[in-house]
Amino acid sequence: GAGVSQSPSNKVTEKGKDVELRCDPISGHTALYWYRQSLGQGLEFLIYFQGNSAPDKSGLPSDRFSAERTGGSVSTLTIQRTQQEDSAVYLCASSPDRSTDTQYFGPGTRLTVL
Amino acid sequence: GENVEQHPSTLSVQEGDSAVIKCTYSDSASNYFPWYKQELGKGPQLIIDIRSNVGEKKDQRIAVTLNKTAKHFSLHITETQPEDSAVYFCAASMVTGNQFYFGTGTSLTVIP
Repeated sequence: GAGVSQSPSNKVTEKGKDVELRCDPISGHTALYWYRQSLGQGLEFLIYFQGNSAPDKSGLPSDRFSAERTGGSVSTLTIQRTQQEDSAVYLCASSPDRSTDTQYFGPGTRLTVL
Repeated sequence: GENVEQHPSTLSVQEGDSAVIKCTYSDSASNYFPWYKQELGKGPQLIIDIRSNVGEKKDQRIAVTLNKTAKHFSLHITETQPEDSAVYFCAASMVTGNQFYFGTGTSLTVIP
């Protein structure tokens, strides 16, 4: 079946602009995660959605970052007033249920802030 | 919170040899340990996982071992092939938490 998809695959923006990154999880998966991966680094947790529960936002690095998940499916990660240090690959993952279930990752969005 | 350390950061092996990547974790409440393979330009893909109620799991050329007492787990790849070249990440999670904690990755190169 279809896996996790993300769009765009690449995004180049100017410092100070806002960007929106989209994630379409696997159908029926209730859990959705956003991670940031900087060049040569591991995965940095950003935010977690589980069903209709309040999201776990503890990993968001600043108030310029926010995310929504509409209808328990598609999620959008928004970065306002982008900075050069926001340049990274943003990965989305979904899983059938809770954190001990297998995560399935999308291909990521490579964000470059000039 | 949980802290996952992964070693080595880079590893080169000859084709046909074995490769071993090790991770340690700090929180004894962690009970799920997946391993991911990330190829260039792609998202991480799960290759094997283990839960805390078992000590070893094997899937063809790939195996994972878990030592709960010492809080470490390892990935073993036997008979390595050039297509095994990638970055490998370990992770730890606990049933009461929302997060996966990832290691910093191991870049594996299999030399033909």
